[in-house]
Amino acid sequence: DAKTTQPPSMDCAEGRAANLPCNHSTISGNEYVYWYRQIHSQGPQYIIHGLKNNETNEMASLIITEDRKSSTLILPHATLRDTAVYYCIVRVSKNQAGTALIFGKGTTLSVSS
Amino acid sequence: EADIYQTPRYLVIGTGKKITLECSQTMGHDKMYWYQQDPGMELHLIHYSYGVNSTEKGDLSSESTVSRIRTEHFPLTLESARPSHTSQYLCASSAGTGRGYTFGSGTRLTVV
Repeated sequence: DAKTTQPPSMDCAEGRAANLPCNHSTISGNEYVYWYRQIHSQGPQYIIHGLKNNETNEMASLIITEDRKSSTLILPHATLRDTAVYYCIVRVSKNQAGTALIFGKGTTLSVSS
Repeated sequence: EADIYQTPRYLVIGTGKKITLECSQTMGHDKMYWYQQDPGMELHLIHYSYGVNSTEKGDLSSESTVSRIRTEHFPLTLESARPSHTSQYLCASSAGTGRGYTFGSGTRLTVV
């Protein structure tokens, strides 16, 4: 099972910042936090990831608490096209050869005008 | 422009038929993955591969099998399709630790 907890749904007004929280209290020191989103059952789209520092790219910002037990994805100016299911994922080590992402239920973000 | 391709996009097939879902990527990624997703539900990892001739089963038990003979191809096969196999199958690839996954558009399978 995914080791993250997210609210099942959130609403946001168009043009406002959307702040999506995620708890990952059992995260270990070498595990990254990844954020993906999925629109209309299309293939998930990578948004951003981080280890312990805050990260920003052209899509979003990722704020990770100092103890790394939680994080927040920020969409600075939400648009209607940002309506999607957002997944917060902690990479799970499968074996020495590498890791695999384990998805949870995610947060359904609804952006309205 | 997609760098990972899945075919077919939609497939309706009768019970008992053998099917192969294709997944190809042009990015030279060593790591590839198959996920299964029922409508409105989360993705479940069913198979993954870390390179040629390497395949592992994922967290969700699946009657499907996979092969990895070439880096760019990671086909998934169902020897005898059943209605319980009706689902969406998503393929992904990754360059490795610390990198994101690139997903294909998925194959929506319906077994009647």
